[in-house]
Amino acid sequence: KAGVTQTPRYLIKTRGQQVTLSCSPISGHRSVSWYQQTPGQGLQFLFEYFSETQRNKGNFPGRFSGRQFSNSRSEMNVSTLELGDSALYLCASSPGQDTGELFFGEGSRLTVL
Amino acid sequence: AQSVTQLGSHVSVSEGALVLLRCNYSSSVPPYLFWYVQYPNQGLQLLLKYTTGATLVKGINGFEAEFKKSETSFHLTKPSAHMSDAAEYFCAVSDRASGGYNKLIFGAGTRLAVHP
Repeated sequence: KAGVTQTPRYLIKTRGQQVTLSCSPISGHRSVSWYQQTPGQGLQFLFEYFSETQRNKGNFPGRFSGRQFSNSRSEMNVSTLELGDSALYLCASSPGQDTGELFFGEGSRLTVL
Repeated sequence: AQSVTQLGSHVSVSEGALVLLRCNYSSSVPPYLFWYVQYPNQGLQLLLKYTTGATLVKGINGFEAEFKKSETSFHLTKPSAHMSDAAEYFCAVSDRASGGYNKLIFGAGTRLAVHP
């Protein structure tokens, strides 16, 4: 079974731009979560989608948004990028909505200049 | 609110020595607890999990952890370290109190170094 696939793996943007990151979950997994990882704040939960519905949201500003498609693929978008948005963005899929067991992709490393 | 504290941001052991990574949690409901490992430039991989039942949990790569409710701890151990164990380890608790089973709250991580 293929793992969680995230694209792009690396990207560089400038302040004020927007970015869209993509995540393809493991086949059959309907839950997709997003996490931000930075050296200062560590791993922080962004949001979770299950069957195209956002189930949970972390404490991030409205510039951070996401969606899930009918095939369970997910995208997250960050608008009006700030320097502090530089981070590794990790996507994780789960077979169910109540297992807590997450399978992570390798991440998309965003650098904002 | 749920929280996780990992004692020691860096741990260094000799190859063949015992590995002990400490994790304490706070949870208002019976916790679901996890240990994940992250190798450089990679995502996180689940080592083991505790939900209910047996308090000693065995995971992959020879790791195990024991849930101790009285101590609110979930320490990770491995009897004999291998060079390939060098990585960053994260303890996490599921935010079940708010219904977010798949919303994990992570500790700050412990970087494990293994030297010959």
